[in-house]
Amino acid sequence: SYVLTQPPSVSVAPGQTARITCGEKNIGSKGVHWYQQKPGQAPVLVVYDDSDRPSGVPERFSGSNSGDTATLTIGRVEAGDEADYYCQVWDSSIDHVVFGGGTKVTVL
Amino acid sequence: EVQLVESGGGLVQPGGSLRLSCAASGFTFSTYSMNWVRQAPGKGLEWVSYISSTGSLIYYADSVKGRFTISRDNARNSLYLQMESLRDADTAVYYCAREGSATALNFWGQGTRVNVSS
Repeated sequence: SYVLTQPPSVSVAPGQTARITCGEKNIGSKGVHWYQQKPGQAPVLVVYDDSDRPSGVPERFSGSNSGDTATLTIGRVEAGDEADYYCQVWDSSIDHVVFGGGTKVTVL
Repeated sequence: EVQLVESGGGLVQPGGSLRLSCAASGFTFSTYSMNWVRQAPGKGLEWVSYISSTGSLIYYADSVKGRFTISRDNARNSLYLQMESLRDADTAVYYCAREGSATALNFWGQGTRVNVSS
């Protein structure tokens, strides 16, 4: 079964680019989804199926997925992007939703 | 506007039971698969259970299998989670979430808090 590995934290200066990775062997064969969660709020989908954005999500949020690593990229980071970010896949071998452990993004 | 509103959380003793509800509005509930996801205090997201649009397919996380039962009433636009034999480790905020494109969870409720404690 899948175990999705994310770095616990990422720090980035305003205006720079943040990259959050999600690792698992052959994750490139899966569709990966990314969620943003701010303190005290429910998660919000920001990227689905590797690189698609729901309506209303800024173009600054983008995703990629190849080989053993999926990546969420946040361009021109703003203070409001400070949040926890989770990757997620559907593991069809066991019919389970699987989440990564989450990455806390801090805007310096 | 899509809305998911959870209810039914509260304080319960270990070994007790609780039934969570999720009221859906703003979309055709009967055509969407639904999930329950929980988050223990200070921890990450943990998937709990899935139910298909008709209720014919149901899956559970190993941590709750045999203790929790997911169900839905499409006539009432409602999703449920019956929780039995509750443990301290079940303490969490429980979210209902709608499945959209490609198995992504594209709408979430605000959650209901369950506290298992003596």
